[in-house]
Amino acid sequence: DSGVTQTPKHLITATGQRVTLRCSPRSGDLSVYWYQQSLDQGLQFLIQYYNGEERAKGNILERFSAQQFPDLHSELNLSSLELGDSALYFCASSLDSREQPQHFGDGTRLSIL
Amino acid sequence: GENVEQHPSTLSVQEGDSAVIKCTYSDSASNYFPWYKQELGKRPQLIIDIRSNVGEKKDQRIAVTLNKTAKHFSLHITETQPEDSAVYFCAASGRAAGNKLTFGGGTRVLVKP
Repeated sequence: DSGVTQTPKHLITATGQRVTLRCSPRSGDLSVYWYQQSLDQGLQFLIQYYNGEERAKGNILERFSAQQFPDLHSELNLSSLELGDSALYFCASSLDSREQPQHFGDGTRLSIL
Repeated sequence: GENVEQHPSTLSVQEGDSAVIKCTYSDSASNYFPWYKQELGKRPQLIIDIRSNVGEKKDQRIAVTLNKTAKHFSLHITETQPEDSAVYFCAASGRAAGNKLTFGGGTRVLVKP
């Protein structure tokens, strides 16, 4: 158990819909990262938050947004879903924004029908 | 931005033999290099990491070497066991990039009994 909690584990929805993925970091960790893992793209960085503020952004689509709340949990919002958004979405956390080990949650498997 | 290349994409070894996975990175500002092991359907698990001020690090049967001049790093697994079968990912990050991880494409390792 990494200490990073992600819910839900599985999500099945239709094209055009909107979903919210939730992540609670390990106790004491201030930084949260979101990654997308698909078969053809591997593990891709989406966005990072540190202590409530956006710190870095990857190739995140405009249809996707995220935030980190005062209790440090984070949510990733995906809207106008397309078939290509089907993937595993991982959240990871680390102590701070420096080069620290990142520990991954179990992921949310998103399936778009 | 950073680009990480990983080779080979698949590796089949006999139990007890050694396995070597190699990665190259492009951004000379990267200074943190973790390795993750991912079993099917599971989260990436950090198995070892190395920082740019260290040339080699070892943890039991796993070792990582780093050549900053050549911008490449390698994972060595000795005395492989069937439970080492998994996909292994290398990654690179640096403070300038907010500690986001850029992953290699992964290596699928199969240890044959």
